[in-house]
Parts: sequence; structure tokens; C-alpha cells
Amino acid sequence: RKEVEQDPGPFNVPEGATVAFNCTYSNSASQSFFWYRQDCRKEPKLLMSVYSSGNEDGRFTAQLNRASQYISLLIRDSKLSDSATYLCVVNIGFQKLVFGTGTRLLVSP
Amino acid sequence: DTAVSQTPKYLVTQMGNDKSIKCEQNLGHDTMYWYKQDSKKFLKIMFSYNNKELIINETVPNRFSPKSPDKAHLNLHINSLELGDSAVYFCASSHTSANVLTFGAGSRLTVL
Repeated sequence: RKEVEQDPGPFNVPEGATVAFNCTYSNSASQSFFWYRQDCRKEPKLLMSVYSSGNEDGRFTAQLNRASQYISLLIRDSKLSDSATYLCVVNIGFQKLVFGTGTRLLVSP
Repeated sequence: DTAVSQTPKYLVTQMGNDKSIKCEQNLGHDTMYWYKQDSKKFLKIMFSYNNKELIINETVPNRFSPKSPDKAHLNLHINSLELGDSAVYFCASSHTSANVLTFGAGSRLTVL
């Protein structure tokens, strides 16, 4: 089983739609969780950290479910500029951050 | 000012050659990393240094040798390049406690 797994997509949604991605992780001792965004031919950039109680940043909401070992990202009112690959990242300990393969989102007019 | 800068941005070379990629960060971070992103876009950690000390060394061929002259620099030297080494190599840095990575723009290596 991979350490971090994501559905690669692509998710094709129209502008204004709500879309959600899930990510599962295998190491139950993982402590820190993040979502990164990567645009085509660019470097990954931090989108948001994921906190145990869930957290929101504008149109983006992240949730953590430790019992089922998954995290989620919800994007409301999708914009064209949200088109990118969303990477789930898990700190499995000893400063080791493991990236999922990413979920590709395409928002169309 | 670029926070994490890596050079060169593009590198095209023949099999068997030796090449280096340099990375520098001006964020005052104490931990630096090399990640490899292959053609399937999978981003995999290769090495991590904390205050010039190697702390993560994944199962990378020993043709890859990282060097950290100080905590602001982490270079990657690759000997005897192979076709499978073609990828984008990302340098990143973080504070030890924060775990949030800042990436460089990437170095696209093509081995012919």
C-alpha cells in the first residue's frame, strides 16, 4: 500500500461548482497534514495546512479523519484559476514529508 | 528576491556525463531537501539536510551525491547519468519545526 494515495483525476467541473478531493494515508502515527497546489511546469506551493478540527480558508475547506486515515479538500465556487494539481502531503515522522501523486482539477467556463 | 533558487533551470546532457545542480535559500531555514518529480508527476524525496547534516537518504543510487557547504546551500551532483535520471529536480527548504516546504522553481534534467 502506498504511503499516501490520491485519485489522479482529472476532475472536470464547470465554474461555480463545488468539488472535493480525498486522500488516504497508511501511517497511523502521521502527525501533520497539508494540501499543496502545483500548476503546470511550476513548483508545488502550500495551499493550506490541515488541522484536526478542520479548517477553512476562503473557498477552501480541509478536513482530517484520523480514524479512517484520510484528509479531504473541498473547493466551493470553483474559479478557472483553480485549475491545477492538488497534492496531499503527510509528515510521517523524522522530517519526512511524503507527497501523494496529486489530483488534477480542470475548471471550465 | 527569490527565496529558494536553483540552477540551472534546464539541463540537457548525454548518458554517462556528470552534472551538478545548485540550490540556495535566503529564508534562514535550517533544513533543505531534494525531491525528484518523474514523468508521471510523482514527487519523491531523495535527501534532506538539517544544519548541514544528512538526516534523510532514501534509496537513491550512490551516483547521486548531495553536498551542503552551509545551511543555506544544498547541491546535488550526479555521476554517470542514465536515461532514467531524466526528471525535474526540486530543491526545498523549511524550518525544522514548521514542516512547511518552500520549493525552488525546479531543474529539468534531460538525459539523451
